[in-house]
Amino acid sequence: ELKVEQNPLFLSMQEGKNYTIYCNYSTTSDRLYWYRQDPGKSLESLFVLLSNGAVKQEGRLMASLDTKARLSTLHITAAVHDLSATYFCAVDIKTGNQFYFGTGTSLTVIP
Amino acid sequence: DTEVTQTPKHLVMGMTNKKSLKCEQHMGHRAMYWYKQKAKKPPELMFVYSYEKLSINESVPSRFSPECPNSSLLNLHLHALQPEDSALYLCASSHSQGTDTQYFGPGTRLTVL
Repeated sequence: ELKVEQNPLFLSMQEGKNYTIYCNYSTTSDRLYWYRQDPGKSLESLFVLLSNGAVKQEGRLMASLDTKARLSTLHITAAVHDLSATYFCAVDIKTGNQFYFGTGTSLTVIP
Repeated sequence: DTEVTQTPKHLVMGMTNKKSLKCEQHMGHRAMYWYKQKAKKPPELMFVYSYEKLSINESVPSRFSPECPNSSLLNLHLHALQPEDSALYLCASSHSQGTDTQYFGPGTRLTVL
């Protein structure tokens, strides 16, 4: 059974600080996705990582993928309050052609 | 237009009621998905439709019945639900099954009394 684990599950950080969220998965995957979810809201697509070594950046967020280590990271630079949300990684594998979501990381940025 | 719409936004129903959730997209996507999400948990896949045919059913109880009338519409028919079925139900679509970003609708918040 495919497992997708995120670390940490909960993160409280001060504005202006940097931090990294980790996403580990247990089997070979072709693609990895990062989503953001605000409380009571739907999921917003942030990044799609398509190959080993892929790096994508948007504003204060940067995502990377290491398929050999089966690890993706979401790095937050100089956090601001607006980044407070739950972040999910998701992996899709050819067998079954379905998304497997990570456990989620609930991020709170404190002024 | 990268929008997936869902109706209703909120639904309260009794255990003997029959109701339906609706999802619509006009992006030309050929794969559509239903997910169930409980509070503070990741979405759980329920059903996948690919080219209007059911391709994945994740062992969902028969009180949930999906329907894909055409390539733009996806319904989820509900009957004899249990209180533990209360959750946020999310619809998503992608260009094709399992090969592209899934775009999510706003969800329907379902409460079963």
